[in-house]
Amino acid sequence: NAGVTQTPKFRVLKTGQSMTLLCAQDMNHEYMYWYRQDPGMGLRLIHYSVGEGTTAKGEVPDGYNVSRLKKQNFLLGLESAAPSQTSVYFCASRTSGRAPPDTQYFGPGTRLTVL
Amino acid sequence: AQTVTQSQPEMSVQEAETVTLSCTYDTSENNYYLFWYKQPPSRQMILVIRQEAYKQQNATENRFSVNFQKAAKSFSLKISDSQLGDTAMYFCAFISNFGNEKLTFGTGTRLTIIP
Repeated sequence: NAGVTQTPKFRVLKTGQSMTLLCAQDMNHEYMYWYRQDPGMGLRLIHYSVGEGTTAKGEVPDGYNVSRLKKQNFLLGLESAAPSQTSVYFCASRTSGRAPPDTQYFGPGTRLTVL
Repeated sequence: AQTVTQSQPEMSVQEAETVTLSCTYDTSENNYYLFWYKQPPSRQMILVIRQEAYKQQNATENRFSVNFQKAAKSFSLKISDSQLGDTAMYFCAFISNFGNEKLTFGTGTRLTIIP
């Protein structure tokens, strides 16, 4: 099992450009998440999905869109990148939302710089 | 809303010594889960240990153990016989047991093990 993978690992964008980050998991997990990590602020939830075809907003969703067309993939899109979106992005997944909530497994992260 | 506070931005300890990282949280819920994640320079988020709030017994994983004080809303991590590979950022995290998909992170503690 590869676990949770993210593509790409690094990316530099110019302000106004668009891009899509891909997250893939091979653990048949129902739930998937996108976080961003900024210095001194820990990880903050951008969007999440509780199953194929569903998405929901997290703590900091503005400027991002997501899609979950396939259970194993969760895409994060930036339509018009801004310097404030410079960050490290992490994808995570876990099994279904039954209690107790299982541990989230994280991908290796994508470092995005917007100039 | 839940909050997680890590009041020690940085710590350092000699190899083979014991170190304790602090974490406090605020919630009005009674059922929840707490986690410690490790993030080494590779950026990978690695689960260290997890604690269910309904369990009075403190969780342990080899050299890692927690001191969970539910009434005080405190969740500290003790690392015994520290090793150079323990050098990393450590994040405390909280998730509710019911109806809340948001994993709330603290701002992290940078731990350095000195040879």
